[in-house]
Order: sequence, then C-alpha cells, then structure tokens
Amino acid sequence: DAGVTQSPTHLIKTRGQHVTLRCSPISGHKSVSWYQQVLGQGPQFIFQYYEKEERGRGNFPDRFSARQFPNYSSELNVNALLLGDSALYLCASSFGTASYEQYFGPGTRLTVT
Amino acid sequence: AQRVTQPEKLLSVFKGAPVELKCNYSYSGSPELFWYVQYSRQRLQLLLRHISRESIKGFTADLNKGETSFHLKKPFAQEEDSAMYYCALSYSGGGADGLTFGKGTHLIIQP
Repeated sequence: DAGVTQSPTHLIKTRGQHVTLRCSPISGHKSVSWYQQVLGQGPQFIFQYYEKEERGRGNFPDRFSARQFPNYSSELNVNALLLGDSALYLCASSFGTASYEQYFGPGTRLTVT
Repeated sequence: AQRVTQPEKLLSVFKGAPVELKCNYSYSGSPELFWYVQYSRQRLQLLLRHISRESIKGFTADLNKGETSFHLKKPFAQEEDSAMYYCALSYSGGGADGLTFGKGTHLIIQP
C-alpha cells in the first residue's frame, strides 16, 4: 500500500480563483481529515469526513468546503483564493474518527499569487 | 479554546546528550496529548501518545496535568533523531474534532 496519496504535489493559482485538492486514503480507511499548514506553523484542522459525512469542522471560512466519495477518497475545495491561503494542505486518513489513528499524506503545496 | 505551546523553535544538542522538547497546553477538560515527528523528506507520523505510556525510539513523555505539560524526553540523543517535532492535543477524546498542533520544534543533533 502506498499510503495516503494526494494530488497535485504543487499548485500555483492567482487570487480569486478556485482550487480543488484530492486525497486517496489508505485502503480500508473510512475517514479523511484535512489540515492547513502555513510556513512556520503546525498543521491546523479544517475538516473531517467519515462515511461520506462531515463529522468535524475547524475554524475556517465558508470558502473552504470538502466532500468524500463512495470509495472514501476526498476533495478539498477553496473558492475565491486569497494570498493567505498559500500553504501546505495535508490529508490524513484513519479507519475510524479517532485523531491518533491518523496517517498523513505528503501534502499539496498551494501558492496563491 | 484549546492551545498548544512549544516554546522552542529550534533545539540543538550534541549526540549522546539528553533531550527535552517542551510542550504546554491549555484546555479545561481532559485532553489526549500526542507527539508527532517529521523526518527530512518524510511524512508527518505519530511518535507517541500519552494514553499508551509507551517508549518509542527511546522517547518518553509524561502528562503533567498540574503543570499542563507534556514534555518529550530522551536520555541519549542520536543523530537520527534530528527532525521536526510537533506536540498535538485532541480535545474530544480522539473524536472527530481534529488535532490542535503546536508550532513545532526543530531538533538538530550534532555529531
């Protein structure tokens, strides 16, 4: 198993645009969580999805949304991009919803210009 | 609101010396505390959690509720311990509210 995979690896967008980031969990894992990691900071929780339903949400504006598909893969969408959205976006998968069971992907580096 | 503080951005020690990475938290309930590690060019991974009381790669961490601390310790540092270390807190008993991370400490072990 390759572990959690994320695509794309890197992405450059301009302000106001929309972006979609993708995550494939470890086989058998039913939960996906998204984190934003700004340079020099620790990861910050955005969403958790379990069995295709949102189970948790961090303190992020409505421009951020996500969904989980029947195969448990997930997309994170960000609308009306701001310069401050530039960050590494991490996806983590787990079998259940317990935070400590999470396995992290390599991340998608988003740069907003 | 919950918060995790790692006061040292960078910690440099010599091989064989003891290591202590500090972590303090603020939370009114009963949190679960974790240490995550990220080695160069690798993914973020769980090192240990307080509830398991394990020693992983020679590291231990004790939850001190009185001082609201969860410091990570190792008696004899090794060069392969060089990495970024993050302290994290789960405030819903490991449930669906995600992890709150500190800003991280970059540990450098000098030969």
